[in-house]
Amino acid sequence: GAGVSQTPSNKVTEKGKYVELRCDPISGHTALYWYRQSLGQGPEFLIYFQGTGAADDSGLPNDRFFAVRPEGSVSTLKIQRTERGDSAVYLCASSLMGLAGVGSTDTQYFGPGTRLTVL
Amino acid sequence: GENVEQHPSTLSVQEGDSAVIKCTYSDSASNYFPWYKQELGKGPQLIIDIRSNVGEKKDQRIAVTLNKTAKHFSLHITETQPEDSAVYFCAALYSGGGADGLTFGKGTHLIIQP
Repeated sequence: GAGVSQTPSNKVTEKGKYVELRCDPISGHTALYWYRQSLGQGPEFLIYFQGTGAADDSGLPNDRFFAVRPEGSVSTLKIQRTERGDSAVYLCASSLMGLAGVGSTDTQYFGPGTRLTVL
Repeated sequence: GENVEQHPSTLSVQEGDSAVIKCTYSDSASNYFPWYKQELGKGPQLIIDIRSNVGEKKDQRIAVTLNKTAKHFSLHITETQPEDSAVYFCAALYSGGGADGLTFGKGTHLIIQP
């Protein structure tokens, strides 16, 4: 079946602009995660949704970053007043269930990412 | 919070030889340890994972071992092939409530020499 998809694949913007990044999780997955990956580093956790609610947003770096998942499926990561330091690949992942489940229900599957460049 | 250290940062092996990548974690409550393979321009792909109730898991040429006492886990790839060349990440998670974000190591660039 279809995996996690993310759009756009690349986004170039100017400092100070607003951007939205979209994630379509695997159908039926209730848990959705956003990560940020800087060059040469591992992904860093940003926020986790269980259904429509943000269960853990402890990884969001500041209040310029916000994410929504209004219908419990597609999610949008929103970045206001972008800064050059926001340049990175933004990854989305989904899992069948976010909390400890039976077997591999908490296994996270990643999308291809959106490469954000802030000039 | 959790901290994951991964070594080496770069590993070059001859085709057909074995490769071993090691990780340590700091939070003794962590109970889920996946390994991801990432090719250039792509998202991380899960290759194997292990939970804290087992010490070893194997899937064809790939195996993972876990030492809970030492808070250490390793990825073993045998009979390496050119298509194994990629960046490999280990990660750790306490899957049971609270934060469910994975904590990743910094990655190992595996190079398979023909």
